[in-house]
Amino acid sequence: GAVVSQHPSRVICKSGTSVKIECRSLDFQATTMFWYRQFPKQSLMLMATSNEGSKATYEQGVEKDKFLINHASLTLSTLTVTSAHPEDSSFYICSASTLAGGRSYEQYFGPGTRLTVT
Amino acid sequence: GNSVTQMEGPVTLSEEAFLTINCTYTATGYPSLFWYVQYPGEGLQLLLKATKADDKGSNKGFEATYRKETTSFHLEKGSVQVSDSAVYFCASSRAGSYQLTFGKGTKLSVIP
Repeated sequence: GAVVSQHPSRVICKSGTSVKIECRSLDFQATTMFWYRQFPKQSLMLMATSNEGSKATYEQGVEKDKFLINHASLTLSTLTVTSAHPEDSSFYICSASTLAGGRSYEQYFGPGTRLTVT
Repeated sequence: GNSVTQMEGPVTLSEEAFLTINCTYTATGYPSLFWYVQYPGEGLQLLLKATKADDKGSNKGFEATYRKETTSFHLEKGSVQVSDSAVYFCASSRAGSYQLTFGKGTKLSVIP
């Protein structure tokens, strides 16, 4: 159980275009979803936290107008990279959180999306 | 704020060797501590966790003990296998929060 999928797994887009990445919790309802960015040989950097039906909370330094997050339902969140530039090329990972055992939250991670902007 | 520091890799070991990956944390209060594993081309999977001092998390032969006095959560395995080759991330979360702070990851390669 607790499977999270991401689509697409890889995407190449031209500079100036927008690209949407989907994150789905397949067998549970996620109260909260997170979006991370992972640079080569670097750790995961939290970009934003989103709760279903409300606006995402962005981390300091993350442009909310560039990285649009929509958490439309308890099983789906989307990240849209608008007007993409080569420096946006990265590995984007989502996670979904649900209350586990009534006491603490677990985060379940998707497989990631490799974005390359040419 | 919270921070996590783990030993830099890559780490290369022969099969059946002993593994230690060091992890230390800074935090206010009493965070929960985690080890995640990322196999090539996949997302992160929770390997083990500990929520209070002196707790030992264990899974698949891996162990880590929450040491408050040394603010550490070192990952150990007595005998590694080729299938353990992956990137390992240490992480912490504040008490009552689900937000995670990750270390930079340590790549482990196990050779036959």
